[in-house]
Amino acid sequence: AQSVAQPEDQVNVAEGNPLTVKCTYSVSGNPYLFWYVQYPNRGLQFLLKYITGDNLVKGSYGFEAEFNKSQTSFHLKKPSALVSDSALYFCAVRDEGGGFKTIFGAGTRLFVKA
Amino acid sequence: ETGVTQSPTHLIKTRGQQVTLRCSSQSGHNTVSWYQQALGQGPQFIFQYYREEENGRGNFPPRFSGLQFPNYSSELNVNALELDDSALYLCASSFGTSELHEQFFGPGTRLTVL
Repeated sequence: AQSVAQPEDQVNVAEGNPLTVKCTYSVSGNPYLFWYVQYPNRGLQFLLKYITGDNLVKGSYGFEAEFNKSQTSFHLKKPSALVSDSALYFCAVRDEGGGFKTIFGAGTRLFVKA
Repeated sequence: ETGVTQSPTHLIKTRGQQVTLRCSSQSGHNTVSWYQQALGQGPQFIFQYYREEENGRGNFPPRFSGLQFPNYSSELNVNALELDDSALYLCASSFGTSELHEQFFGPGTRLTVL
């Protein structure tokens, strides 16, 4: 069965410092992995995805994520955090051949302090 | 190009009532998926509609039903509301049903059941 784990409920980082939001997954086949961000009273906004190819994926707003097949991880990173990055981040997975059904993690709240 | 819109923004109902939520898909998108996001959790897949037919369903009871119209807009209907139905309901549209297609989310409808 597909599953996604985001082990940290909250991540705190100072503005200008690098940030990492962790995600691990479990699927039966090859994974398709996604990161979304949610601001208060807003829907989910797509950041980036991994389908195939380079393990380092670059996305919107300076975010990137590294796919690690051996560790079944897809951590979200940004070299220099902004206060405006403070939001709720969701990792999600689809199973190759499993169609459209998307499994989301429980979310990690990122707080960037000025 | 217009994004995904949902109505109403907020809704308060009492237990046992019925509710209809509406979603207009992004221009050019023919597929709509519905998700339930309970407080403090990630979105959970309810079902997907493609070309006016239900194309797959998550682990939700039959009192959750939907429709898709020829213009690809969609409705989510919930009968016999229960307290646990209180959540943010998200609609997402895409062009196609496969796992490769990116989903675009609306802002959601916040349903409170008293």
